Amino acid sequence: QEQLVESGGGVVQPGRSLRLSCVASGYTFSSHGMHWFRQAPGRGLDWVAVIWFDGSKTYYADSVKGRFTISRDDSKNTLVLQMNSLRGEDTGVYYCARDVGVVGPELDLWGQGTLVTVSS
Amino acid sequence: DVVLTQSPLSLPVTLGQPASISCRSSQSLGHTNGNTYLNWFHQRPGQSLRRLIFRVSYRDSGVPDRFSGSGSGTEFTLKISRVEAEDVGVYYCGQGTYWPPYTFGQGTKLEI
Repeated sequence: QEQLVESGGGVVQPGRSLRLSCVASGYTFSSHGMHWFRQAPGRGLDWVAVIWFDGSKTYYADSVKGRFTISRDDSKNTLVLQMNSLRGEDTGVYYCARDVGVVGPELDLWGQGTLVTVSS
Repeated sequence: DVVLTQSPLSLPVTLGQPASISCRSSQSLGHTNGNTYLNWFHQRPGQSLRRLIFRVSYRDSGVPDRFSGSGSGTEFTLKISRVEAEDVGVYYCGQGTYWPPYTFGQGTKLEI
């Protein structure tokens, strides 16, 4: 069945780096764009970044621009979020989501999330 | 950025009774291609998100027909005709007409 599984979360000190992965299965990963979202404890959902199905375009939320990098490895069906210069406000559960849209995002499949805690 | 405002933020309901959640947008969500990219998601406690409704009123595969979405422009509604125990959790509206960023409402917590 179609599935997204995130990993790589953990506790990290401010200013350090962390690399999140999202492994897709049950569908053709290379056919769809992918997004990262995050949810701070007790808060709502925030969009983080997107990568086009062919990797040709990426966009970032202003809050992470210049610090985070989204990438994909279609040979491994894996989406990656490289997070550098982490801050306390980056704490939260990070979700990857599949985008089956052509014009606007159509987020039809979500992973279970991985928790990132930025704390000294 | 488009701001989505949900109401109510907390929704106590009785099993078998209907429930309704409103989502109001800071600007009209009709795209120039004729579609409206307003979606509804459900998040059970401790779980990930599941999309229920896309483009205002289309139910995702496997979503019970007691869920329905309606609306246009800046006003949208998610209705549950008869609430069941498995419907507890937080409901979010999300828009993809004007993006990035993709934005969500604050969430509505439905509890029995």
